[in-house]
Amino acid sequence: AQSVTQPDIHITVSEGASLELRCNYSYGATPYLFWYVQSPGQGLQLLLKYFSGDTLVQGIKGFEAEFKRSQSSFNLRKPSVHWSDAAEYFCAVGDGLTSYDKVIFGPGTSLSVIP
Amino acid sequence: DVKVTQSSRYLVKRTGEKVFLECVQDMDHENMFWYRQDPGLGLRLIYFSYDVKMKEKGDIPEGYSVSREKKERFSLILESASTNQTSMYLCASSYDRGIGEQYFGPGTRLTVT
Repeated sequence: AQSVTQPDIHITVSEGASLELRCNYSYGATPYLFWYVQSPGQGLQLLLKYFSGDTLVQGIKGFEAEFKRSQSSFNLRKPSVHWSDAAEYFCAVGDGLTSYDKVIFGPGTSLSVIP
Repeated sequence: DVKVTQSSRYLVKRTGEKVFLECVQDMDHENMFWYRQDPGLGLRLIYFSYDVKMKEKGDIPEGYSVSREKKERFSLILESASTNQTSMYLCASSYDRGIGEQYFGPGTRLTVT
């Protein structure tokens, strides 16, 4: 079955430091990959997505992610974290192999930012 | 901007009550989804709909039903609420079928006592 893992449940970084959130997926074909962010009390917002082409994807709010097929990974990065980046981050894979299309979400990584 | 609204941000119900969660989107999206969000489990798909009056079960449909009488509105129904249905419920819509970008509402925090 298709699945998404996010090995880090919670990460704390200092403001201005770099950030990398890990995501690994299990999927039998070329995946559609997403990163969403959920700020406190809010719904999810799309940060970026990968469907095909360049494996380094740029998103909103200064985030980027790199698709590595050999490692089944789609890690999210930001060179300098801002206090407003404190949120829950979800990696997701689009599953087009079942009888209907759906998105499978990982368990999420909670990010705290120290001033 | 796409807007997805949910009828309540917080809801407290008693065990056995019938509960309606309403979701409305204003971008003429074909597809709508109901998820349940629990700590450590991410989002789990309850039901989805790709057209008016059409519904499909997701991964955890037990104890829930849905209604989509109009394109913009997708309702989640808990026929007889139980304490294990205490959770955050998120509605989403999308233009493309399920594997496309989804737009989420702010969520309804439901507590069943």
